[in-house]
Amino acid sequence: EPEVTQTPSHQVTQMGQEVILRCVPISNHLYFYWYRQILGQKVEFLVSFYNNEISEKSEIFDDQFSVERPDGSNFTLKIRSTKLEDSAMYFCASSPRGVGPGANVLTFGAGSRLTVL
Amino acid sequence: SQKIEQNSEALNIQEGKTATLTCNYTNYSPAYLQWYRQDPGRGPVFLLLIRENEKEKRKERLKVTFDTTLKQSLFHITASQPADSATYLCAFANRDDKIIFGKGTRLHILP
Repeated sequence: EPEVTQTPSHQVTQMGQEVILRCVPISNHLYFYWYRQILGQKVEFLVSFYNNEISEKSEIFDDQFSVERPDGSNFTLKIRSTKLEDSAMYFCASSPRGVGPGANVLTFGAGSRLTVL
Repeated sequence: SQKIEQNSEALNIQEGKTATLTCNYTNYSPAYLQWYRQDPGRGPVFLLLIRENEKEKRKERLKVTFDTTLKQSLFHITASQPADSATYLCAFANRDDKIIFGKGTRLHILP
């Protein structure tokens, strides 16, 4: 069964450092997402991406965050200058289509745990 | 703003019984609701989707109902098994291509 793969599974970084989290969405999917989950809290939407541009972003997704699809397979989340409160599990997800009557079912990756010291 | 409310307290159910989880939403009328399962340290896994014009949806031992008047969805697991123990998340998509999740309900099936 097709799956979304994420690397690294765990990254430890110092506050202020840049981090890039990588994702390979399912190959025929068109919509890509990043979510985060702080330990013990809910899965929070960060950003959605379609047709090589951001289609929606949350208030969490400030100027410190950026996303990119550098080639035909990878989808990355960059945090420019990490803060302690960025420590969380980051999930990439993909979907074959966006919102609409056909529905938007997400397939998630296993996540990348980010620890900021 | 749109809100999804799930009973965030853990639910303990005896093996073999039916587990019923509740999802309430406010300030929105979604065209459909989704339910996901999340195991510790893993990403959510899609289980079921129910549209606003459907009262009930079934998949094996799972059943979802959707009451647009009450703004509520119920998620049932019949003949529950210890392997059903997980956190179950309710979610819907708003008009702006954003799927938002409830906090989830932790379900423990006791052997």
